[in-house]
Amino acid sequence: GENVEQHPSTLSVQEGDSAVIKCTYSDSASNYFPWYKQELGKRPQLIIDIRSNVGEKKDQRIAVTLNKTAKHFSLHITETQPEDSAVYFCAAYTGRRALTFGSGTRLQVQP
Amino acid sequence: DGGITQSPKYLFRKEGQNVTLSCEQNLNHDAMYWYRQDPGQGLRLIYYSQIVNDFQKGDIAEGYSVSREKKESFPLTVTSAQKNPTAFYLCASTNRGPDNYGYTFGSGTRLTVV
Repeated sequence: GENVEQHPSTLSVQEGDSAVIKCTYSDSASNYFPWYKQELGKRPQLIIDIRSNVGEKKDQRIAVTLNKTAKHFSLHITETQPEDSAVYFCAAYTGRRALTFGSGTRLQVQP
Repeated sequence: DGGITQSPKYLFRKEGQNVTLSCEQNLNHDAMYWYRQDPGQGLRLIYYSQIVNDFQKGDIAEGYSVSREKKESFPLTVTSAQKNPTAFYLCASTNRGPDNYGYTFGSGTRLTVV
């Protein structure tokens, strides 16, 4: 089955800096790659996603890039703010079963 | 509560007991999912159901059971065969697959073995 690896497990940045979280997937049939944000004590929320026919997608301060050849995708957050502090999960979907999630990245934005 | 409700929020289980976690949605979603969340391990799939009266094992189904008798309900039973059940359990639902507007998650149930 699909396997998703996520790095780093923790990331600390200064407010205003950029943050990058990277994921790799194993199943070349995966065609949908969402990112979820989970604030402390809350449920995960979808923040951005990308499909395999697109190389990059942006939404204000966040962007996701996809390299199908290398089977990796990344989340980029620019101009980080304290409210960006959370655990971020990447995931992959082949069109069958369910989402396979990465192990999560705890992002801490220092004011 | 976002259209998908999990109860209870906290649950304590004694050794050898079976316990059932409730998940109810009023979104008319076809598919429902159960994930287990442990620190540093992300979300791991326990069971999923894409249609009423049908469900499939996920990656860590041993020691768990489910039913899907109604479209809106997908309860998870943690049996005594599950050796390490202490975790945070999340239920999710989607309309025609997670690539269609993503998962809607419940608020979770934290299960502790005492």
